[in-house]
Amino acid sequence: AQTVTQSQPEMSVQEAETVTLSCTYDTSESDYYLFWYKQPPSRQMILVIRQEAYKQQNATENRFSVNFQKAAKSFSLKISDSQLGDAAMYFCAYRSAAWGSNYKLTFGKGTLLTVNP
Amino acid sequence: EAEVAQSPRYKITEKSQAVAFWCDPISGHATLYWYRQILGQGPELLVQFQDESVVDDSQLPKDRFSAERLKGVDSTLKIQPAELGDSAMYLCASSLGLAGVAGANVLTFGAGSRLTVL
Repeated sequence: AQTVTQSQPEMSVQEAETVTLSCTYDTSESDYYLFWYKQPPSRQMILVIRQEAYKQQNATENRFSVNFQKAAKSFSLKISDSQLGDAAMYFCAYRSAAWGSNYKLTFGKGTLLTVNP
Repeated sequence: EAEVAQSPRYKITEKSQAVAFWCDPISGHATLYWYRQILGQGPELLVQFQDESVVDDSQLPKDRFSAERLKGVDSTLKIQPAELGDSAMYLCASSLGLAGVAGANVLTFGAGSRLTVL
């Protein structure tokens, strides 16, 4: 079974600075997807960014980018120019792309990000 | 923008009572998921539907939990009887759910139903 580990329960960053959230995963599969979801306090979970394992190029979405190291099974999220609205719980998630799998998401325990003004 | 609707947002109940949650996925989304999120932890899958069929309910405590999606659209998750340990956020999510279809593997989540069992 796949597992996702987020080793940083909490992180903090100053507004306008850069922060990196860590995620590692364990799988024997070669084809899969990785995601970062954001869950603001009392609000719904939303997708921040996703990465297809077969793509070598790291995904980027505006101020959000990932460092995907397939051999190391590492998938970190970098937030540049942090804003107060970035404060939230961030979850790393894994999803198999294998034919016949049920494509369910397996989540890490999350990292609570605080942005200081 | 299309949303996943869930109700109720908050539910307080006493242990041994029955409770039900409802979810209406995004129109056209074939796959529907119920996740349970205990405070401070990541969501864990309870049950997954593809249309009206259960694809995965391996983590659903079947002695007290049940889920249905009779017409392959909206879904109900029921707990009877509720226990103290069931206090959590119950998240519903949906996706197109078709392999090989671009964007089909992206889940959209509802706002969740927060359950407190006293």
